[in-house]
Amino acid sequence: DVKVTQSSRYLVKRTGEKVFLECVQDMDHENMFWYRQDPGLGLRLIYFSYDVKMKEKGDIPEGYSVSREKKERFSLILESASTNQTSMYLCASSLLDSSTNEKLFFGSGTQLSVL
Amino acid sequence: GEDVEQSLFLSVREGDSSVINCTYTDSSSTYLYWYKQEPGAGLQLLTYIFSNMDMKQDQRLTVLLNKKDKHLSLRIADTQTGDSAIYFCAVAQGYALNFGKGTSLLVTP
Repeated sequence: DVKVTQSSRYLVKRTGEKVFLECVQDMDHENMFWYRQDPGLGLRLIYFSYDVKMKEKGDIPEGYSVSREKKERFSLILESASTNQTSMYLCASSLLDSSTNEKLFFGSGTQLSVL
Repeated sequence: GEDVEQSLFLSVREGDSSVINCTYTDSSSTYLYWYKQEPGAGLQLLTYIFSNMDMKQDQRLTVLLNKKDKHLSLRIADTQTGDSAIYFCAVAQGYALNFGKGTSLLVTP
């Protein structure tokens, strides 16, 4: 089974702190993604990466950056956390499949609270 | 980007069928997906349909696709209390998936 592991289930941080959310996948997938999930807004794509050291902005990249130094690990960074970044963060990965099936496999999520 | 629309809530009685509907604006997706999210968990791929098909059945799940109307539906037969969850419709947008806001399904005894 594909396993996508997010390092923390719950995080509480203060405004202005630098926050790292870590995600690791064990299936050698090329693509990795960070979404945030908010009530009434569904899932919104923050950033994704299709290869090591490659990254692309999603729909809401402002206030975030990412790092992909190794294929299995994709980190989301909040340079200076703000209260409006309180949210559930979901990491996902997928295989670059020649059949263009973009099946995503998700981690369990990190609930971040910024006080 | 792609717009994916779903109704937000659905309540059914145990044993009845549930039908969750989704509409989308871009028809270039090769596959269209349904994901399920149980409380406190991430999203789990439930089923998907190839865009050249109009129906796919998988045990209690039936997916219907009307490409002309850009309408996707998920039917759950004999709905059980364990089916209570949020269901997301998703279509491809480049490398990523674009998700609807999710339909909360409540199954009452």
